[in-house]
Amino acid sequence: DAKTTQPPSMDCAEGRAANLPCNHSTISGNEYVYWYRQIHSQGPQYIIHGLKNNETNEMASLIITEDRKSSTLILPHATLRDTAVYYCIVRSSNAGGTSYGKLTFGQGTILTVHP
Amino acid sequence: NAGVTQTPKFQVLKTGQSMTLQCAQDMNHEYMSWYRQDPGMGLRLIHYSVGAGITDQGEVPNGYNVSRSTTEDFPLRLLSAAPSQTSVYFCASSYDALSREQYFGPGTRLTVT
Repeated sequence: DAKTTQPPSMDCAEGRAANLPCNHSTISGNEYVYWYRQIHSQGPQYIIHGLKNNETNEMASLIITEDRKSSTLILPHATLRDTAVYYCIVRSSNAGGTSYGKLTFGQGTILTVHP
Repeated sequence: NAGVTQTPKFQVLKTGQSMTLQCAQDMNHEYMSWYRQDPGMGLRLIHYSVGAGITDQGEVPNGYNVSRSTTEDFPLRLLSAAPSQTSVYFCASSYDALSREQYFGPGTRLTVT
């Protein structure tokens, strides 16, 4: 799976948009970009994923560059409850191989939303 | 649905003791997995299962055993606990291995002294 690079921490004011970047310059054509978050002491929670088109759901938007080497997770109106560690994960869509289905978690970005 | 449940929430073991961490899901998911998370680190895959009767190793399997006799349950056994196994353990499940969303349990915090 491709390696991802994220800033270790970011701050955001409550009510403003939080834009979390991720670099995945070695991503291959069959690999999806996933975002999970982990609120303190809880299990990770799925947010969104995409292949090459921009995606939006009730939680967030995902913008993937045309060359697919980087992406940005956007929380449009951050709240205090969005304070968490955000993980950008690249995962193959191919069946089989070692550690099938594995999510490779790096150290993520600690997002702090302040009043 | 209760989702993914894990027991116990906390456990303290002495070096050399054995124990089983329980994980259950009521969503009829085929894929289940175990991760460990050390302080300040991301999660690392220990073992996984693509269905009842089928298990395989992840990236850090040493010192752990698993079995999958039913779709619902995926216990993780520590054979002889070591201080290096002090960690938070998360169980996850999904419809299949490539499902977009994996559901994680609340975790078991294990300390080995």
